[in-house]
Amino acid sequence: DQQVKQNSPSLSVQEGRISILNCDYTNSMFDYFLWYKKYPAEGPTFLISISSIKDKNEDGRFTVFLNKSAKHLSLHIVPSQPGDSAVYFCAASIEGGSEKLVFGKGTKLTVNP
Amino acid sequence: DAGITQSPRHKVTETGTPVTLRCHQTENHRYMYWYRQDPGHGLRLIHYSYGVKDTDKGEVSDGYSVSRSKTEDFLLTLESATSSQTSVYFCAISDAQGQGLRSGEQYFGPGTRLTVT
Repeated sequence: DQQVKQNSPSLSVQEGRISILNCDYTNSMFDYFLWYKKYPAEGPTFLISISSIKDKNEDGRFTVFLNKSAKHLSLHIVPSQPGDSAVYFCAASIEGGSEKLVFGKGTKLTVNP
Repeated sequence: DAGITQSPRHKVTETGTPVTLRCHQTENHRYMYWYRQDPGHGLRLIHYSYGVKDTDKGEVSDGYSVSRSKTEDFLLTLESATSSQTSVYFCAISDAQGQGLRSGEQYFGPGTRLTVT
């Protein structure tokens, strides 16, 4: 039973345009959500997070939107840059719990110059 | 930089042999995790630790054991390696009390690529 789903294995966008990566979750107990970026041969790195008490969190070119009623979150990258090409993982946790994260399968973003 | 290292970084071993991977941290974080990453599966939790000698299973724990005798070290052991355990293994740390990481955020090591022939 996959609790965090990233239904698009890959996404390709042009440099300068918006990249939108989507994530759905099924466990209504999740109240903290994170996005990680992973380059080949490196460990995942934390990108941005959002608590369930918010519906938007912004950090520079990266914005995460949370729709609790739909159990859906998205990561927007504007403008997209070739250096953003990586695999992006969505993750969810229960704040104050065991600190475990449940990850989606990832979306490979390619930003073309 | 949360000061997390993994060793070895690469290993090739034969089916049936025991293998131990080491994760070492220098920041005294309470929680440590072992994940494996496989194509089409993302990151899956194998085992985690919430303190010295305190460990628990993740979603793919069969065939793996862990030990944490010191805060800074978390060992993952494959008692008898199988080809299905060929993967990239990542260690991660977190700390609900802060120390540079907010609750829920995990910091990952560089990974160990294990090949079982």
